[in-house]
Amino acid sequence: QVQLVQSGAEVKKPGSSVKVSCKASGVTFRSYAFSWVRQAPGQGLEWMGGIIPRFATANYAQKFQGRVTITANESATTVYMELSSLRFEDTAIYYCARVDHGYYFHYWGQGTLVTVSS
Amino acid sequence: EIVLTQSPATLSVSPGERATLSCRASQSVNSYLAWYQQKPGQVPRLLIYDASNRATGIPARFSGSGSGTDFTLTISSLEPEDFAVYYCQQRGNWPTFGQGTRLEI
Repeated sequence: QVQLVQSGAEVKKPGSSVKVSCKASGVTFRSYAFSWVRQAPGQGLEWMGGIIPRFATANYAQKFQGRVTITANESATTVYMELSSLRFEDTAIYYCARVDHGYYFHYWGQGTLVTVSS
Repeated sequence: EIVLTQSPATLSVSPGERATLSCRASQSVNSYLAWYQQKPGQVPRLLIYDASNRATGIPARFSGSGSGTDFTLTISSLEPEDFAVYYCQQRGNWPTFGQGTRLEI
């Protein structure tokens, strides 16, 4: 069955960067696109960007342009999201998700809590 | 960016009753709209995609309708496990989500 397993929780200082990984199993990795969605505490869902691993092309929400980088390693069947210049308001759970049915999200990772604290 | 506005913010209903949740888009998204359910401490669960197609394993009491800018998620007879937050999401442009509707007893 499809599983997306993310790396563990992180605590970061303002201005630093964080890199979260998402390992896919039970899926033909190069046949799908993957996205990153975040959720601040008590808030809604926010799409950050996505990648098609077989083309190594990523696109990003305008809000995160220049601060987020999404990459993929096909041999490791892993997708990465790196967010730089962290701010307090970047404290959130970061989810990876497989893109299905056009651009919807059927399978999700378990989420990674990133806390930005001084 | 396409803005999705969900209403109401909170809906109070009883088990066995019917619940109707709305999602309005700032511009047409055709039928490219999905609904998700999220319970506390859990990941979102895809319920409906392309406005009216139930995702795999979703009970028939969940149905979606609408096109263009106005969409509805209907839960025909609420079960205790249906009390959660529901989000709509469009894929007509870069994906965006609504702010959510909390369904409570």
